[in-house]
Amino acid sequence: AQSVAQPEDQVNVAEGNPLTVKCTYSVSGNPYLFWYVQYPNRGLQFLLKYITGDNLVKGSYGFEAEFNKSQTSFHLKKPSALVSDSALYFCAVRDRYNNNDMRFGAGTRLTVKP
Amino acid sequence: DGGITQSPKYLFRKEGQNVTLSCEQNLNHDAMYWYRQDPGQGLRLIYYSQIVNDFQKGDIAEGYSVSREKKESFPLTVTSAQKNPTAFYLCASSIPPQPRQPQHFGDGTRLSIL
Repeated sequence: AQSVAQPEDQVNVAEGNPLTVKCTYSVSGNPYLFWYVQYPNRGLQFLLKYITGDNLVKGSYGFEAEFNKSQTSFHLKKPSALVSDSALYFCAVRDRYNNNDMRFGAGTRLTVKP
Repeated sequence: DGGITQSPKYLFRKEGQNVTLSCEQNLNHDAMYWYRQDPGQGLRLIYYSQIVNDFQKGDIAEGYSVSREKKESFPLTVTSAQKNPTAFYLCASSIPPQPRQPQHFGDGTRLSIL
């Protein structure tokens, strides 16, 4: 079965600095990978996904993620963080042949300080 | 605008009481899901449904029940058999059988014990 690990519970960055939120995954075959963001008392909001092709995926609000097959990683990045980026971020993986089994990481809380 | 509506936003349960959480979507999605979110644990799948009148257990179905009588509705009942129901409950939907598509989430219901 597939799984996702987000090794950092908390990431703190200063506004204007680049940010990285880490994600590693485990699947038996080729994965579909997703990043979501959650603001307090709200549902998850889709940011971006990796399906196939270019390893650098661009998404909403200036976020991007880099797929690295050899390291089984899918780190979320942004060149210049905003205070409004402060939220809980979830990485998720889905097996290409099992539409019903999406696995989420435990989440990483990003705090951007002015 | 299309989306997923969860109600109520906050719900309190007494000992021995069953409570029902509502989830309605107007996205015309076939698949619907219920997740439970606890701090530091990410999202865990309770039940999912790919089509009307059919649903499957997820990883933590014990103490919960669902129905899918209409495409747009997927209510979740938290029964008295669920001994630790305090959590944030999220409903999601997606278009099967397309595993490359992200799930869309409602804004959740927070359930607490009185």
